[in-house]
Amino acid sequence: DVKVTQSSRYLVKRTGEKVFLECVQDMDHENMFWYRQDPGLGLRLIYFSYDVKMKEKGDIPEGYSVSREKKERFSLILESASTNQTSMYLCASSDSESQRVHFGNGTRLTVT
Amino acid sequence: EDKVVQSPLSLVVHEGDTVTLNCSYEVTNFRSLLWYKQEKKAPTFLFMLTSSGIEKKSGRLSSILDKKELFSILNITATQTGDSAIYLCAGSSGTYKYIFGTGTRLKVLA
Repeated sequence: DVKVTQSSRYLVKRTGEKVFLECVQDMDHENMFWYRQDPGLGLRLIYFSYDVKMKEKGDIPEGYSVSREKKERFSLILESASTNQTSMYLCASSDSESQRVHFGNGTRLTVT
Repeated sequence: EDKVVQSPLSLVVHEGDTVTLNCSYEVTNFRSLLWYKQEKKAPTFLFMLTSSGIEKKSGRLSSILDKKELFSILNITATQTGDSAIYLCAGSSGTYKYIFGTGTRLKVLA
């Protein structure tokens, strides 16, 4: 069974801090995604990656960057955390054939 | 602009009731419609529908897609408290693009 692992379940950070959210998948999937989930807004795509070192902006990339140095790992970076980045962050992966997206358990980030 | 709209936003029922959740979509180059169940953590996959009119079933859950009218429904019969969750649908457009609805929050009372 596919496993997508996010390094932290809960994080509390201060405004202005640099924040790293880590995600690892174990199924050799080409595609990896970062979403944020907010009440009433659903899941919104921040960035995705379709191969190592390849990345594409999603719908809300402002204030975020990503890194994919290895196929199994996709990191989301908040360069300077702000309170409006308080949210649930979900990492996901998929392979190009099945279209089925597999999610991690999420990281609930609070920026104070 | 691509969009997926789910209704109702929330629903409260009693155990044993049958519920129907709705998902309408406008997705360019539509490939498939996916349903997920989200409890306290990761959304878990329920169904993927690509063909119109073919029902997918898994136990008490079933789903069908209408590609002409651009919608899908998820039915849950004989609901149980364990069905309480947020149900998400997403339209897939190509390999990377998944457009999610805001979800339907279902609460099943004992």
